[in-house]
Amino acid sequence: IAGITQAPTSQILAAGRRMTLRCTQDMRHNAMYWYRQDLGLGLRLIHYSNTAGTTGKGEVPDGYSVSRANTDDFPLTLASAVPSQTSVYFCASSDSRGSDTGELFFGEGSRLTVL
Amino acid sequence: GQNIDQPTEMTATEGAIVQINCTYQTSGFNGLFWYQQHAGEAPTFLSYNVLDGLEEKGRFSSFLSRSKGYSYLLLKELQMKDSASYLCAVSDSNYQLIWGAGTKLIIKP
Repeated sequence: IAGITQAPTSQILAAGRRMTLRCTQDMRHNAMYWYRQDLGLGLRLIHYSNTAGTTGKGEVPDGYSVSRANTDDFPLTLASAVPSQTSVYFCASSDSRGSDTGELFFGEGSRLTVL
Repeated sequence: GQNIDQPTEMTATEGAIVQINCTYQTSGFNGLFWYQQHAGEAPTFLSYNVLDGLEEKGRFSSFLSRSKGYSYLLLKELQMKDSASYLCAVSDSNYQLIWGAGTKLIIKP
């Protein structure tokens, strides 16, 4: 079944540890995104990539990094996790080329708790 | 600043009609989206409006007025499975999505 796969689904992490959230899509979409979702707030964009080989900063990029080595994969890394990074993280993709806004397809989310 | 406002929570009765409003102030406008998100699940696309007017899709309709910075999502013949959060998002001048906090819709029998 085509779609987006995120891993892990859930993780508890000690503060200061490094963590990578994985995201893979098989729809050959150009654009990919990482959002965090916190209670009472809208989805907030962390980083995005309009095409393989390029990335950009979103609204809340500090403490996070991404890479886009190929079309399918878009991992999100927390170099040194802090409790404020406790959140649900959603990866999404769209058939967008940066000059339009296509429908977003979301992964099932990764629930991260930093203690 | 950019802002999307929608009610935090609404309650409606099974079989009834409910209207969820969304007002926005953004730097530029390239369309407005509605997404549905069931508890513990990912958001899924419902509708997209870029021109003024009403777009109908089955039991769901979405309306846009660009001059008023206003949209609503209309759900008819409510079913228990419609209990979910409904997210309004606007594409700004850079084609980045600005998201509202979502409206939690509770359906009662």
